[in-house]
Amino acid sequence: GENVEQHPSTLSVQEGDSAVIKCTYSDSASNYFPWYKQELGKRPQLIIDIRSNVGEKKDQRIAVTLNKTAKHFSLHITETQPEDSAVYFCAASMNTGFQKLVFGTGTRLLVSP
Amino acid sequence: EPEVTQTPSHQVTQMGQEVILRCVPISNHLYFYWYRQILGQKVEFLVSFYNNEISEKSEIFDDQFSVERPDGSNFTLKIRSTKLEDSAMYFCASRVVADTQYFGPGTRLTVL
Repeated sequence: GENVEQHPSTLSVQEGDSAVIKCTYSDSASNYFPWYKQELGKRPQLIIDIRSNVGEKKDQRIAVTLNKTAKHFSLHITETQPEDSAVYFCAASMNTGFQKLVFGTGTRLLVSP
Repeated sequence: EPEVTQTPSHQVTQMGQEVILRCVPISNHLYFYWYRQILGQKVEFLVSFYNNEISEKSEIFDDQFSVERPDGSNFTLKIRSTKLEDSAMYFCASRVVADTQYFGPGTRLTVL
């Protein structure tokens, strides 16, 4: 089955810096890659997603890139703010109808003022 | 904006007891999921449900677990005889046809 690896496990940056989180997946049939932000004790919230027919997607300060050949995708956050501090999870799924999400192990991002 | 809701927010139970976790998915959604997250770990898939039947389940979802959609709005997860290792946050999620899964706020289950 699908396996998703995520790095780093923790990431500390200064406010205004960029942050990059990387994920790799094992199953080449996966074609949908969402990123979720989870604040302490809260639900995972979708922040951006990408499908395999696209190499890059951007939404304001957040961007995701996908390399299908290498089977990896990355989350880029520019001009980080303290409110970006949270745990970020990548996930992968196959568009076969039922689409269970297979999550990475999470990255704890800390943005210091 | 519609949201997935879950009750209770926290459930404490004794080992061996049955628990039922409740979810109300977004009203026009068709696919329903349960995931769990042990404290400090990643979110893990348990089961997916579509057209009133289980479509896929993980190895975690053994005979002690069951799901039901008893009416047009609720989606429940039952654990028949809880174990200590069932202690976790349980998230319900739902989606319409498109890819995006929307998560509920979770139920923290503590088994003593």
